[in-house]
Amino acid sequence: EIVLTQSPGTLSLSPGERATLSCRASQSVNSDYLVWYQQKPGQAPRLLIYSTFSRAAGFPDRFSGSGSGTDFTLTISRLEPEDFAVYYCQYYDSSLYTFGQGTKLEIK
Amino acid sequence: EVQLVESGGGLVHPGGSLRLSCIVSGFKFSNYWMHWVRQVPGKGLVWVSRINLDGSSATYADSVKGRFTISRDNAKDTLYLQMNSLRVEDTGLYFCGRDDSSGIQGWFDPWGQGTLVTVSS
Repeated sequence: EIVLTQSPGTLSLSPGERATLSCRASQSVNSDYLVWYQQKPGQAPRLLIYSTFSRAAGFPDRFSGSGSGTDFTLTISRLEPEDFAVYYCQYYDSSLYTFGQGTKLEIK
Repeated sequence: EVQLVESGGGLVHPGGSLRLSCIVSGFKFSNYWMHWVRQVPGKGLVWVSRINLDGSSATYADSVKGRFTISRDNAKDTLYLQMNSLRVEDTGLYFCGRDDSSGIQGWFDPWGQGTLVTVSS
């Protein structure tokens, strides 16, 4: 079973700064099935990035995904106040859906 | 507008049962595989179960296998999760989520707002 480890657990940054969030898989994974969600307090998770690179509808181009093999990254180029949230990576393989433990992006 | 609205959560004693519902609108329900995902408040996400288009095939996480049953009524645009023999560790916010028509998309979009299940004595 694949385990996803996200780092850091909490990231404290200021608006305008660049955020880099990591998701590491315990073994090499198919990048077609690596996704990212954004979750704000009191809300459901919202699909942000699918298939490692593709941005979901409604998200601006300051959000980008990258990676391959075991290492994947979500980058927010210039943080806006509305970007402060919890971000989860998730992977699908053979009827198993695995989530990382999340990275909380907080305002510094 | 695509909407998923869960209901049926509540407080239940260990060993008890609950039935969750997820009513959808804004899309043709019978064309999509569907899922349930749990979130312990303040914690992470755990996939629970999925069901295929006509309800003939279901998959479960090992932690709920034999205790939970996912089903759907396409005429009522409703997804269900029957939860039996509930344990304290089943506590959480239960979300329903939409897959795609093939069931191999691998992600959930969109999600409902969730319904809270608390298992406690």
